[in-house]
Amino acid sequence: AQTVTQSQPEMSVQEAETVTLSCTYDTSESDYYLFWYKQPPSRQMILVIRQEAYKQQNATENRFSVNFQKAAKSFSLKISDSQLGDAAMYFCAYRSLTDEKLTFGTGTRLTIIP
Amino acid sequence: GAVVSQHPSRVICKSGTSVKIECRSLDFQATTMFWYRQFPKQSLMLMATSNEGSKATYEQGVEKDKFLINHASLTLSTLTVTSAHPEDSSFYICSAGYDLYTEAFFGQGTRLTVV
Repeated sequence: AQTVTQSQPEMSVQEAETVTLSCTYDTSESDYYLFWYKQPPSRQMILVIRQEAYKQQNATENRFSVNFQKAAKSFSLKISDSQLGDAAMYFCAYRSLTDEKLTFGTGTRLTIIP
Repeated sequence: GAVVSQHPSRVICKSGTSVKIECRSLDFQATTMFWYRQFPKQSLMLMATSNEGSKATYEQGVEKDKFLINHASLTLSTLTVTSAHPEDSSFYICSAGYDLYTEAFFGQGTRLTVV
């Protein structure tokens, strides 16, 4: 079974600064998907970014980028120019290519300091 | 992106009664939907996989008779919490996706309080 670990329960960053959230995972599969989801106080889950394991290039979405290290099974999220609206719980998630269900990490609560 | 609508957003029920939560895919057909439970300040735990036209697949430790799932059409899955007890109080979230190649879309979630 796959497991996803987020070792930082809480993180804080000054507005406009950069922060990196860590995620590691364990799997025996060679191809899979990885995701970062954001859950603001409304509790609506919002996709931030996704990465296909077979792609070596790190995914980027505007201020959000990932550092995907397949051999190390690491998938960190970097948020640049942090904004107040980035404050939320961030969940790292794993998905197999053959199954739509997601395995989530325990989450990191990100606080933005004005 | 696609829209998944969950209803109700909040419900309070008395202990011993049943409550139904609906999850609809508004602009696409979903043969598979997922139900998650989230305790305060914790992660999402998968409860079951809802399969259109067939029985749901439950995760280990989830009581099938307490959490009834029905996926009667390609756009609707329902979760019924039967004989609810205070310990069933939680946040329930559904998700659905187009297929294996796209990301999941989540409903708004339902906060269930059993009094």
